[in-house]
Amino acid sequence: GENVEQHPSTLSVQEGDSAVIKCTYSDSASNYFPWYKQELGKRPQLIIDIRSNVGEKKDQRIAVTLNKTAKHFSLHITETQPEDSAVYFCAAPNYGGSQGNLIFGKGTKLSVKP
Amino acid sequence: NAGVTQTPKFQVLKTGQSMTLQCAQDMNHEYMSWYRQDPGMGLRLIHYSVGAGITDQGEVPNGYNVSRSTTEDFPLRLLSAAPSQTSVYFCASSYSRPGRGGNQPQHFGDGTRLSIL
Repeated sequence: GENVEQHPSTLSVQEGDSAVIKCTYSDSASNYFPWYKQELGKRPQLIIDIRSNVGEKKDQRIAVTLNKTAKHFSLHITETQPEDSAVYFCAAPNYGGSQGNLIFGKGTKLSVKP
Repeated sequence: NAGVTQTPKFQVLKTGQSMTLQCAQDMNHEYMSWYRQDPGMGLRLIHYSVGAGITDQGEVPNGYNVSRSTTEDFPLRLLSAAPSQTSVYFCASSYSRPGRGGNQPQHFGDGTRLSIL
């Protein structure tokens, strides 16, 4: 089945700096890679996703890159702001065990210092 | 349009008690799922459903039952609560299974914080 590993587990940056979170996956059939943001005490919310037919997708200050050969995808946040502080989760579908259900990474706690 | 609604928001149980966590969505989504979230463990899939009358197990199904009698509702039942089931539970829904049929994004409810003493 799919195994999703996420690094780092914690990340602290100064306001205005960039932040990068990386995930690796094991199932070469995976074709959909979402990123969720979860603020303290709140629900996870989708912030960006990428499908396997593109290598990069941008939405204002956030971008996701995908390297299917190496089986990894990354979240890039530029010009970070204090409101970017949250836990970020990556995910990939599991085609082996649960037939397309999402398997989540363990999360990255991002702290943006003013 | 309320999205995904979970009740209750908080619950404290004693070991051995049973209870049902409710989940309802008003987006006519076929796919619904239950996750538990524990510190440092991410979101782990408990059970899921691809439509009314169809349910299946996820990664961590032991100790939980589900049913899907309507498209809107997907309750999660704890049969005999154990301290290891202390967690935050999230229900999510999407038009189809995330990894199939157009890669539909999942919408999450606000969660139920469950403590078992």
